[in-house]
Amino acid sequence: GIQVEQSPPDLILQEGANSTLRCNFSDSVNNLQWFHQNPWGQLINLFYIPSGTKQNGRLSATTVATERYSLLYISSSQTTDSGVYFCAHEATGTYKYIFGTGTRLKVLA
Amino acid sequence: GAVVSQHPSRVICKSGTSVKIECRSLDFQATTMFWYRQFPKQSLMLMATSNEGSKATYEQGVEKDKFLINHASLTLSTLTVTSAHPEDSSFYICSAQLVAVNEQFFGPGTRLTVL
Repeated sequence: GIQVEQSPPDLILQEGANSTLRCNFSDSVNNLQWFHQNPWGQLINLFYIPSGTKQNGRLSATTVATERYSLLYISSSQTTDSGVYFCAHEATGTYKYIFGTGTRLKVLA
Repeated sequence: GAVVSQHPSRVICKSGTSVKIECRSLDFQATTMFWYRQFPKQSLMLMATSNEGSKATYEQGVEKDKFLINHASLTLSTLTVTSAHPEDSSFYICSAQLVAVNEQFFGPGTRLTVL
């Protein structure tokens, strides 16, 4: 089946540091989204990015669909960035999202 | 916009009872909603796709008689965990597809604990 692997699985940063999270897909990329799951479990939409590059404040994302990967960049990290970051994409033509394995980020003050 | 709510946020019940979880799209209509389950420190696993006006479709390994789904209107889907047992304890999350922008938006989740 379709696999979505994320790396690194765990990441600890000092406040102010930058980081890159990666998402690799075993199948073609459709309707890719990045999410942040906060400590209370709420999934927050970060980007809808099936291809190309987008930026929103300190966050940006790039998807290279032809090479089946996506990157999430976090610059000048803050303690509120802590949580789990998931990428997910749609199994072709189904609207069903397959979630990645997640990156657990902890930003230290 | 694109807000999805879930109720209750937390429920504790005794083994053998049934629990109903509601998922509502507050500011948009959703013909399709999804139910996920998440165990501690794991990713989200899709349980079923809820289709307004028709039967839900369940993922392999998910018991449809155990997890009853009803999508009675364009803004409401419900998941009922029937005869709950401790192994059903988990974090249940719903999402709704906003077709116009091809994005899914997620509810805040329901933490179920079965004693």
